Amino acid sequence: NAGVTQTPKFRILKIGQSMTLQCTQDMNHNYMYWYRQDPGMGLKLIYYSVGAGITDKGEVPNGYNVSRSTTEDFPLRLELAAPSQTSVYFCASSYGAPGQGNTGELFFGEGSRLTVL
Amino acid sequence: GQQVMQIPQYQHVQEGEDFTTYCNSSTTLSNIQWYKQRPGGHPVFLIQLVKSGEVKKQKRLTFQFGEAKKNSSLHITATQTTDVGTYFCAGRQTGANNLFFGTGTRLTVIP
Repeated sequence: NAGVTQTPKFRILKIGQSMTLQCTQDMNHNYMYWYRQDPGMGLKLIYYSVGAGITDKGEVPNGYNVSRSTTEDFPLRLELAAPSQTSVYFCASSYGAPGQGNTGELFFGEGSRLTVL
Repeated sequence: GQQVMQIPQYQHVQEGEDFTTYCNSSTTLSNIQWYKQRPGGHPVFLIQLVKSGEVKKQKRLTFQFGEAKKNSSLHITATQTTDVGTYFCAGRQTGANNLFFGTGTRLTVIP
């Protein structure tokens, strides 16, 4: 199993450009999440999904969009990139809801470092 | 909205000293998880606590969940250089489908 795979690992964008961060998992997990981590800070939840076709907003959804057409994939779209979106983005997945029995552990990808200039 | 704070934000210790980080939530949690992130890495799951007053141990690490299920702590005995990293707590409100991460405590161990 590859686990959670994110691409690209690094990207530089100009203000106003758009891009999609890809995330795929091969563990047949139902739940998927996108977090952002600013330098020296904690993780903020952007969007999450409890299954294919279902998405919901987290703490900081503005400026982002997601879709979940398959169980495996959960891409994050940035429209009209702004310097405030410079961050490290982590995708994560879990089989069950966080804390649900033994299935609520989050598995993280290695992160995508995005710089907006 | 839910807030999860951790103190201290940074901690420098001599190798062999103990270390503790505290996590406090503004709301009652159904469970709390702890993660470790090495410098330049991604968060890795350590443990989950569910019951009020629960205490769990992993070798030199001791995790505790408060009686009111609004706070938690991680204690490391006799730190080693391999303990370096940022430790995050992450809590879930009852009925919620997501986790809110704490602000993290960055641990530096001086050899």
